[in-house]
Formats: sequence, structure tokens, C-alpha cells
Amino acid sequence: SSELTQDPAVSVALGQTVRITCQGDSLRSYFASWYQQKPGQAPILVIYDKHNRPSGIPDRFSGSLSGNTASLTITGAQAEDEADYYCNSRDTSGKLLVFGGGTKLTVL
Amino acid sequence: QVQLQESGPGLVKPSETLSLTCSVSGASVSSRDYYWGWVRQPPGKGLQWIGNIYYSGNTYYNPSLRGRLTISVDTSKNHFSLKLSSVTAADTAVYYCARLNGGYDLPLDYWGQGTLVTVSS
Repeated sequence: SSELTQDPAVSVALGQTVRITCQGDSLRSYFASWYQQKPGQAPILVIYDKHNRPSGIPDRFSGSLSGNTASLTITGAQAEDEADYYCNSRDTSGKLLVFGGGTKLTVL
Repeated sequence: QVQLQESGPGLVKPSETLSLTCSVSGASVSSRDYYWGWVRQPPGKGLQWIGNIYYSGNTYYNPSLRGRLTISVDTSKNHFSLKLSSVTAADTAVYYCARLNGGYDLPLDYWGQGTLVTVSS
């Protein structure tokens, strides 16, 4: 098994760029997916297979991977991007899944 | 349009078994392209992966729940289910069912709305 580590909270000024990171040993072998969750709602997938966006997700959301760290970047953050963001991936065995602890994004 | 809907009791007594079903529309649980899974979120906390099942019946469980957990699939009803035995207050959470796209990193691309299950006497 393995863990994914995220910063608990990040803030960004409206219209600026913010990067949310996720660290874990399994990311040296597997890609991360990213989810956005707003209060009282189910999570939605925003990035998968490291950098792909599902249809309907704005192109200001992008993903990358370097070593054991995956990143979600929001370029030109909007007020509606304020939410909790979670990364997930397979664990080091490849058979199980794991979530990061989540990052609360505040848009100032 | 793929939709998932959780159903089951919202209140379970300690030591009893929590049972939930996820009804799927717009996709087939018999498809070889997807896994089907469960995720939970205790109040005010983060997401926890519970487990997945493949159409073949192969299951993958969170080690912390193994021994109490059973996930099954019913292809005739196009739904899958979760049973968690010997529950305690620590199992109180919103439970989500989700479809996992059978890609490299198994992204959870469709989610149910979630159902709150409270463990209390």
C-alpha cells in the first residue's frame, strides 16, 4: 500500500494561477486523477491519466507529473473553482486505490 | 447519460451489517471496459476508497476493511452492492458508488449523489 500527501489548504487570488500537488511513491509508476468536490456535492473528475480532461471541464484545469509528485494547475482561477480537490491513484501494488487527504482551495 | 444511484438504510445499529445497492443506468455492469466501486467520506473528512468489483466478480478491497467487506455485482439487475459487517460509529459516512474507467489509472468518471449512513443505536 502507499499514501498520497496533499497540502491541506491553498489560496489563490481571483484570476491568478495556482498549483495543487500530490506526493506519493506510487506516482513513480502510476498516473494520478484529480477530483473537485464542492460542499454537499459528489466529487467530479477533472483530470485523469495525468493530464487528460473529461468533456465539460474547462481548459484552465491541467495536470502534470514529475517524479513522485502530481500537480493540478488552475490557470486563471475563478470564484467557482473554490472547492476541495483530491488526487487518487493506484497504490504501489497496482491492485488497490488510494486517495490523497484533499486540498481546500480558497479563491480570494 | 450514465447515472448511478445509491440506495439503502440511512441508519444502522452498531455491530449490525450495512447494506447498500448502486443502480446503474446508461452503462452495463457487464462491460469489460469498467470497474465499479465504492468510496466513503466521514463527516468533515476526506475521501476513502472502499473497494472495486469487475464484471467477472473479481474484487479489490481496502485492506483496512478486509474481513468485514463484501462487494458483489448482479448483472441481471445491472447493479452492484456493498455489505459491511460489524459496523461501529467510525463507519458513519456518506457512501458513494462510482464507475471506474478501465484506463491506466482507473479514474472514477461517474459518481452517484451519495447516501449518508449513520451508525447509531
